Amino acid sequence: SQQGEEDPQALSIQEGENATMNCSYKTSINNLQWYRQNSGRGLVHLILIRSNEREKHSGRLRVTLDTSKKSSSLLITASRAADTASYFCATDNQAGTALIFGKGTTLSVSS
Amino acid sequence: EPEVTQTPSHQVTQMGQEVILRCVPISNHLYFYWYRQILGQKVEFLVSFYNNEISEKSEIFDDQFSVERPDGSNFTLKIRSTKLEDSAMYFCASSGDRRGTEAFFGQGTRLTVV
Repeated sequence: SQQGEEDPQALSIQEGENATMNCSYKTSINNLQWYRQNSGRGLVHLILIRSNEREKHSGRLRVTLDTSKKSSSLLITASRAADTASYFCATDNQAGTALIFGKGTTLSVSS
Repeated sequence: EPEVTQTPSHQVTQMGQEVILRCVPISNHLYFYWYRQILGQKVEFLVSFYNNEISEKSEIFDDQFSVERPDGSNFTLKIRSTKLEDSAMYFCASSGDRRGTEAFFGQGTRLTVV
């Protein structure tokens, strides 16, 4: 399976703090994506990082990818209450015909 | 901004009944997907669709499931004879003109089988 597995399962922080979520996967990938899901809502694409990239930034988000360790991390800096959501990493399957999601990290940011 | 739209947002059906979940993908996208998420669990891949045929399906996508693109805009998921365990949130997604690009998800249809 190429599933990404996020760590930790749950994370509680205060507003202004940074949040780091990790994802590990099992086989080689073409790219890895991070998505956010607010409770009961659809998935929102955050960022895509390709296998030949090591780091990518988008606003307060920073994603790293270490293909040698088959792992990625998502850092949210200066978190806000509105960042409260579940965060999923997703990898493409070997044929590139589907995204396979991990179990997610539930982030709670309190003010 | 273009978005994927799904209808209905909620559907309650009796066990054994057929349901059709509808999706309108982003207009210039070529790859279409259905996923489901049982309450509190992870997002599970069901099927991907490209060039008017299924390109990949998971073990979940058995004979009771089918997908169709009946016209140039809609993409449907049919469950022939619903079971209690089909109760879940079903998400449609689409992605652009090549593989390895981000997928855009709809808001989902919450299916409750009673």
